[in-house]
Amino acid sequence: DAMVIQNPRYQVTQFGKPVTLSCSQTLNHNVMYWYQQKSSQAPKLLFHYYDKDFNNEADTPDNFQSRRPNTSFCFLDIRSPGLGDAAMYLCATSKDRQETQYFGPGTRLLVL
Amino acid sequence: AQSVTQLGSHVSVSEGALVLLRCNYSSSVPPYLFWYVQYPNQGLQLLLKYTSAATLVKGINGFEAEFKKSETSFHLTKPSAHMSDAAEYFCAVSPPWGYSTLTFGKGTMLLVSP
Repeated sequence: DAMVIQNPRYQVTQFGKPVTLSCSQTLNHNVMYWYQQKSSQAPKLLFHYYDKDFNNEADTPDNFQSRRPNTSFCFLDIRSPGLGDAAMYLCATSKDRQETQYFGPGTRLLVL
Repeated sequence: AQSVTQLGSHVSVSEGALVLLRCNYSSSVPPYLFWYVQYPNQGLQLLLKYTSAATLVKGINGFEAEFKKSETSFHLTKPSAHMSDAAEYFCAVSPPWGYSTLTFGKGTMLLVSP
């Protein structure tokens, strides 16, 4: 089945130690999104790619970066995780602008 | 700027009772509107969406929502709750142009008792 896959499902890192979260999709969608969802809060868009064009939300911290080496994969890099970065990170894809977003199962990040 | 308000962080119903989850939005133009459901430790699943066609939208699992422009509302309903409906529900809005970047409400946890 076509889907959005996130690895790992759970990630533990140490304060200040760089971490990378992975998202892949078999839907061949043009747009990929990264959301941060803290406990008991709404998902918040960090950034998105339309093909190779990167779009950063104005309030996304510089500590968060992303890479999209090809259509299928997108990575979220946290350069120096702080305790406040512990959250669920959701990846989503859509075929094009204004198309429905399909979400992966998320990666729960714990920062020690 | 767009925003979404979901009234009630928790809603409790009995199995078989009507489900009503409230969502109001703020937008300078009629937006696209969505309801997503999230089960524990899982991603978001689209229940239904409104994109300026019929104002009454039917979704999966027996849910439906009605877009009311005069009330800036998009409430989610289901005639008869099932235990499997227990989850968190998010209302979201996106502009009707450009990218479909979603702005979510804070969510409503639906609790279903036997």
